[in-house]
Amino acid sequence: GESVGLHLPTLSVQEGDNSIINCAYSNSASDYFIWYKQESGKGPQFIIDIRSNMDKRQGQRVTVLLNKTVKHLSLQIAATQPGDSAVYFCAELGTSYGKLTFGQGTILTVHP
Amino acid sequence: DTGVSQDPRHKITKRGQNVTFRCDPISEHNRLYWYRQTLGQGPEFLTYFQNEAQLEKSRLLSNRFSAERPKGSFSTLEIQRTEQGDSAMYLCASSFSRGPSSYEQYFGPGTRLTVT
Repeated sequence: GESVGLHLPTLSVQEGDNSIINCAYSNSASDYFIWYKQESGKGPQFIIDIRSNMDKRQGQRVTVLLNKTVKHLSLQIAATQPGDSAVYFCAELGTSYGKLTFGQGTILTVHP
Repeated sequence: DTGVSQDPRHKITKRGQNVTFRCDPISEHNRLYWYRQTLGQGPEFLTYFQNEAQLEKSRLLSNRFSAERPKGSFSTLEIQRTEQGDSAMYLCASSFSRGPSSYEQYFGPGTRLTVT
């Protein structure tokens, strides 16, 4: 499993800026990677996913990039809004039954 | 609300007491997962059900932890003889195992356990 400290990386941006959140994953055999958003007091919420045979996928205001060579995943949020403020986690989907292994979260704060 | 629900949302208990949490998944979902999340970390997988069968429980933290899903619908997670180290958020998630989005798990709001 991961070894994650209590101090999460933080990213502070102004409203309207673009945000980039990064994640390193550990299992090169993972087939799917997923980004989750977690607001205070709530469970994680699915944002976007990418399969291992892709290197880019776009959604509404979000783009996920996958670099399998260096086992790196990033989430780009365009025109960041205050409602985007949350903790963002990347997760690897492993095994046949869908166990998620979460990476270290990043705290995103959007200032109006 | 047709999402995943969990009860209670908060539980404060004294060390040594037993606690039980309930999860009601999305009604047509046949897979149910339990995760634990401590402050500052991502959720950590505990166990998984396919319908009523518990197919993976090796990550349950100790034999004080047990989970059931007796009729393949709601599930319970029980912690016996609670310890202060059990204080955490316990999250339930569900998914539907067939189809192109079969891996997408929907999380409930969690039950926050505080052991004093």
